[in-house]
Amino acid sequence: NAGVTQTPKFQVLKTGQSMTLQCAQDMNHNSMYWYRQDPGMGLRLIYYSASEGTTDKGEVPNGYNVSRLNKREFSLRLESAAPSQTSVYFCASSETGWGNQPQHFGDGTRLSIL
Amino acid sequence: AQSVTQLGSHVSVSEGALVLLRCNYSSSVPPYLFWYVQYPNQGLQLLLKYTTGATLVKGINGFEAEFKKSETSFHLTKPSAHMSDAAEYFCAVSDPSGAGSYQLTFGKGTKLSVIP
Repeated sequence: NAGVTQTPKFQVLKTGQSMTLQCAQDMNHNSMYWYRQDPGMGLRLIYYSASEGTTDKGEVPNGYNVSRLNKREFSLRLESAAPSQTSVYFCASSETGWGNQPQHFGDGTRLSIL
Repeated sequence: AQSVTQLGSHVSVSEGALVLLRCNYSSSVPPYLFWYVQYPNQGLQLLLKYTTGATLVKGINGFEAEFKKSETSFHLTKPSAHMSDAAEYFCAVSDPSGAGSYQLTFGKGTKLSVIP
């Protein structure tokens, strides 16, 4: 069972470059999420998609855009990368958006911006 | 707004000793509560959750947690630590009242080291 798959696993960018992080889930989940994880900060929500066709901002959306391509896929785009966006990015999904549903996480994308 | 406080960014225990990782939350209503574990270079895995019902919740790998409303706490315990328990542990809450219920708020994490 693949669960939540993120690509790429590692990436190095130069300041100002753009890139899209890909995420796909095979659990037929309705809701999907993007988080960033920084040392000592826990995980912070960037954007989420409660259901196909909808997206909403989370705690730290500035500098990012998202696309819910279909039920399975939810991508995160950095239009003009900045060193402050160096982080580990996690995609997650849940069966529904209700708060009692656990979220299932991918293995992360480690992004460095020089 | 909700918040989660995990006391101790690093905790060390001896193999076979009790593991106690502390989590306190701030919420206007009793939230849904979760503990996740993260092994190096991996994503987060659900250990256990509390939504309703019995306040003592058992999870995977011998862990359990007790929801104490009066103390606004959800501490994670395991009677006997194994070397394989070395990882980072995150407490998280979500708001059951409707608005923002999709969102998990995470604590900053506690890194557990197990000494042989």
